[in-house]
Amino acid sequence: AQSVAQPEDQVNVAEGNPLTVKCTYSVSGNPYLFWYVQYPNRGLQFLLKYITGDNLVKGSYGFEAEFNKSQTSFHLKKPSALVSDSALYFCAVRDGSGAGSYQLTFGKGTKLSVIP
Amino acid sequence: GAGVSQSPSNKVTEKGKDVELRCDPISGHTALYWYRQSLGQGLEFLIYFQGNSAPDKSGLPSDRFSAERTGGSVSTLTIQRTQQEDSAVYLCASSLVQGNEQYFGPGTRLTVT
Repeated sequence: AQSVAQPEDQVNVAEGNPLTVKCTYSVSGNPYLFWYVQYPNRGLQFLLKYITGDNLVKGSYGFEAEFNKSQTSFHLKKPSALVSDSALYFCAVRDGSGAGSYQLTFGKGTKLSVIP
Repeated sequence: GAGVSQSPSNKVTEKGKDVELRCDPISGHTALYWYRQSLGQGLEFLIYFQGNSAPDKSGLPSDRFSAERTGGSVSTLTIQRTQQEDSAVYLCASSLVQGNEQYFGPGTRLTVT
């Protein structure tokens, strides 16, 4: 079985400050990890993914995420938050070993609020 | 290019009625997924199609739910005898090949009264 935990329901950060949205995962095989963002009344938009290679992954809109195998974490980061970054963020995982289904398992989401 | 489209964007139905939700994936994407997003619940996997292979139906919550994908493109999710607990946003996603990042449509908000 695979699972994702996003321990914070909400994160508040001041505009211009760095932001971190936390994600930890559990998967039996190789983790394929994804971050998505959802703006109000919109579908999910793909931000970035980790499949293999460099542990620091860069994605859209200046976001990046760091894969940490020993801590089974994949935290989303941005050096300087914008008010327009305010949205709901989802972390997702699937087993990349090929043994499981291709379905993604999502966390419950973290609401990010960037305060002007 | 065009993204994933879903119709209708909103659907209000009475308890006990059947509903059909439609998804048009990105052209050329071979994999198609349906998810359900309930308030405060995150996303719940429902069903997955890949080419002509048998679909992965492991996430369908009951036999009232079914889905088909015609010609490897458009998909329809059908909910029979709707219940109030079926009220949610139903999201469709597609990917170029199975396992790659998924691209989501705007969703269909279903309200069962």
